[in-house]
Amino acid sequence: AQKVTQAQTEISVVEKEDVTLDCVYETRDTTYYLFWYKQPPSGELVFLIRRNSFDEQNEISGRYSWNFQKSTSSFNFTITASQVVDSAVYFCALSEAMVIKAAGNKLTFGGGTRVLVKP
Amino acid sequence: EPEVTQTPSHQVTQMGQEVILRCVPISNHLYFYWYRQILGQKVEFLVSFYNNEISEKSEIFDDQFSVERPDGSNFTLKIRSTKLEDSAMYFCATRAGTQETQYFGPGTRLLVL
Repeated sequence: AQKVTQAQTEISVVEKEDVTLDCVYETRDTTYYLFWYKQPPSGELVFLIRRNSFDEQNEISGRYSWNFQKSTSSFNFTITASQVVDSAVYFCALSEAMVIKAAGNKLTFGGGTRVLVKP
Repeated sequence: EPEVTQTPSHQVTQMGQEVILRCVPISNHLYFYWYRQILGQKVEFLVSFYNNEISEKSEIFDDQFSVERPDGSNFTLKIRSTKLEDSAMYFCATRAGTQETQYFGPGTRLLVL
């Protein structure tokens, strides 16, 4: 069974500080996808990034960056120079590879980390 | 940019009543999902739907729940006889056939009294 753990329940920072969110996952699949979603106070779920299990290259996209380490089953996410608008709950999620279960592909979410950015 | 839409945004109902939650997927998307989020908790998978049939369902998705795509556009979730514990935010998500990413609608907040 798949499992995603976000050990940090809440992080509070001052604007312009960097924030790193931890995510650890468990899966028996050899091919899978990892995601980060943002849930602002308005409640919607906004897709941020996706990473394939066979691609461990870490990237930066604007103020977002991520560190995927298959050896430790971790997929951490960093917001650089945080802003008040970054205040939200951030969810890490895992899905099986589309190729294996083309129709299923459900997302398994972690418990979320609430980020509060103070001015 | 295309979006998933959901109606209603909020619904209040009495225990035992039937509710239907509606979702309009992004136009070229073929795979549809329902998730729910009880207040303050994690997002949980309910059901996935493809080619007019259920692909996978969770143990939450019991006989009180059903899904259908009646007119080729709307994707609906019906709860036949609501219980207090059905109070939650319900999210519809859809994805294209060639992509792994699911895009979520804004959610329907259901309150069962």
